[in-house]
Amino acid sequence: EAQVTQNPRYLITVTGKKLTVTCSQNMNHEYMSWYRQDPGLGLRQIYYSMNVEVTDKGDVPEGYKVSRKEKRNFPLILESPSPNQTSLYFCASSPRPTGTGELFFGEGSRLTVL
Amino acid sequence: QKEVEQDPGPLSVPEGAIVSLNCTYSNSAFQYFMWYRQYSRKGPELLMYTYSSGNKEDGRFTAQVDKSSKYISLFIRDSQPSDSATYLCAMSRLNQAGTALIFGKGTTLSVSS
Repeated sequence: EAQVTQNPRYLITVTGKKLTVTCSQNMNHEYMSWYRQDPGLGLRQIYYSMNVEVTDKGDVPEGYKVSRKEKRNFPLILESPSPNQTSLYFCASSPRPTGTGELFFGEGSRLTVL
Repeated sequence: QKEVEQDPGPLSVPEGAIVSLNCTYSNSAFQYFMWYRQYSRKGPELLMYTYSSGNKEDGRFTAQVDKSSKYISLFIRDSQPSDSATYLCAMSRLNQAGTALIFGKGTTLSVSS
């Protein structure tokens, strides 16, 4: 089954404790992206990657890092989480390299930073 | 003015009603227009995809794009309780690499049986 898999789905952590949210897709897509979704703000792009070893900032990259060492994986790293990073995070992939076409989303990772 | 505006609702309709969901946008460079559906505790999934102006129909769903008015719509005929979800419009610029889609904030729809 074609899918984007995120882990963990739910996480409660404390300020400053580094964490990684993993994302893996099995559709051989070149384009992958991370979004955060907040009430009243909608979906906002954090980082995206158009291919292995190619990453770039989206609209809200502060406090986040990403890496793309393999085509299928695109982890999101919070080096020193803060309460304003409490959010619902989605990983997505697209068959179009520019990401202008259909996005396939994971089921989301709900993060709470205390 | 925000790039994409979408009324958050909530919108409540009885089963069988025709539903109209709308977005307006300010950037005339947008060429790709999409509607995503998001069920509670799930990721968004693509519902409709159109390029430039015109209509597109898929079963009970019709997407319309009016570029002259910078206005897009999604119509749902014979609405069902299973249509209860949040609907997100999304759009992107032609040949805009990387930053992909700009999303509306979503309209929450509830269809009662």
